[in-house]
Amino acid sequence: GIQVEQSPPDLILQEGANSTLRCNFSDSVNNLQWFHQNPWGQLINLFYIPSGTKQNGRLSATTVATERYSLLYISSSQTTDSGVYFCAVELGSGNTGKLIFGQGTTLQVKP
Amino acid sequence: NAGVTQTPKFQVLKTGQSMTLQCAQDMNHEYMSWYRQDPGMGLRLIHYSVGAGITDQGEVPNGYNVSRSTTEDFPLRLLSAAPSQTSVYFCASSSTSGRANGYEQYFGPGTRLTVT
Repeated sequence: GIQVEQSPPDLILQEGANSTLRCNFSDSVNNLQWFHQNPWGQLINLFYIPSGTKQNGRLSATTVATERYSLLYISSSQTTDSGVYFCAVELGSGNTGKLIFGQGTTLQVKP
Repeated sequence: NAGVTQTPKFQVLKTGQSMTLQCAQDMNHEYMSWYRQDPGMGLRLIHYSVGAGITDQGEVPNGYNVSRSTTEDFPLRLLSAAPSQTSVYFCASSSTSGRANGYEQYFGPGTRLTVT
């Protein structure tokens, strides 16, 4: 089956720093999403980005589908950015919500 | 909209007991899914549904049953609980319409289950 690998597994930043999280996947996908799981366990969808670039405030994401990777950029990090960041992909020709998740990147932002 | 709701928030079961985890969404989404999350791991798909009356297995379906009689509800049944089913369970929904934000998934708050 498809492999989804995220790096780095852990990241510690000082508030205000920038970071880049990476997601590699082993096969062609038609659905790629980035999620943030906050320290209380809630999962929030950040981006639906099977290809191209999107931006939302201090966060942006780029997926290069032909090279099978996606990047999540966090600029001017804040303590509220702490938590676990997951990328998830779906195989096949449709979008059914049948996502395969990576292991996540745990981010800690220190004040 | 309440979004995706799950009950209960916490549950403790003894080995061999059965129970149903409830999930409901009020966004008229066709797709619904159940995932489990174990410590230090990403989420793994248990079962999913593309519409009322249609369900299919995910990565880790053993020990769980689902049914989808309405668009809004997608309960997950544990037939005979085992300690290996201790986990946090998340329900999610998404739309087929691929609106401006695409097929993004919305997650419920989770149910933390402990089997002793």
